[in-house]
Amino acid sequence: QVQLVQSGAEVKKPGASVKVSCKASGYTFTSYDINWVRQATGQGLEWMGWMNPNSGNTGYAQKFQGRVTMTRNTSISTAYMELSSLRSEDTAVYYCARGGYCSSTSCYSGDGMDVWGQGTTVTVSS
Amino acid sequence: SYVLTQPPSVSVAPGKTARITCGGNNIGSKSVHWYQQKPGQAPVLVVYDDSDRPSGIPERFSGSNSGNTATLTISRVEAGDEADYYCQVWDSSSDHRVFGGGTKLTVL
Repeated sequence: QVQLVQSGAEVKKPGASVKVSCKASGYTFTSYDINWVRQATGQGLEWMGWMNPNSGNTGYAQKFQGRVTMTRNTSISTAYMELSSLRSEDTAVYYCARGGYCSSTSCYSGDGMDVWGQGTTVTVSS
Repeated sequence: SYVLTQPPSVSVAPGKTARITCGGNNIGSKSVHWYQQKPGQAPVLVVYDDSDRPSGIPERFSGSNSGNTATLTISRVEAGDEADYYCQVWDSSSDHRVFGGGTKLTVL
């Protein structure tokens, strides 16, 4: 079945970086964009950015520009999200989610996100 | 940046109809998607492109979108529908996906 499986929980100190993985199965990894969404405890969903697994092109929410990097390894159908210069406010559950169809050069971003990973808890604490 | 506004909470009795709104400037010109999120779980897409349902989502879930308001309607509400609901659009001007703040649906 179509699924996204994320890496396990992380505990990091302020100023460090964290890299979360998202392994796709049951579909062609390069055919759909991958989005990252986070949710702090008791708060709403916050979109962080997207990546075209085909080309590696990315688009980041302004809030995270300069701190987030989204990459992929197509040979193992896995997407990665790295967030640097962590602070306590980055403590949250991070989700990857499949979005719209991608060609070799662009993705359609108007589609809903129909497959979600199980979430990865990142705790930032000294 | 584009802003989506949802009521923080909506309450409804079992068997009745719940309507959750999502307001945005000329949102009727955009495709709206709705997600259901239960405590401790990942979000689930329940309506996409304003009014379509993914396979496996009951027909009780429907959507509409016009003018400055999109609406998720849940008919014959059940206790299992109690959850947080989020609307989401793609803002083409910024190439960003945007979420509403979420609405907590309480089944009385």
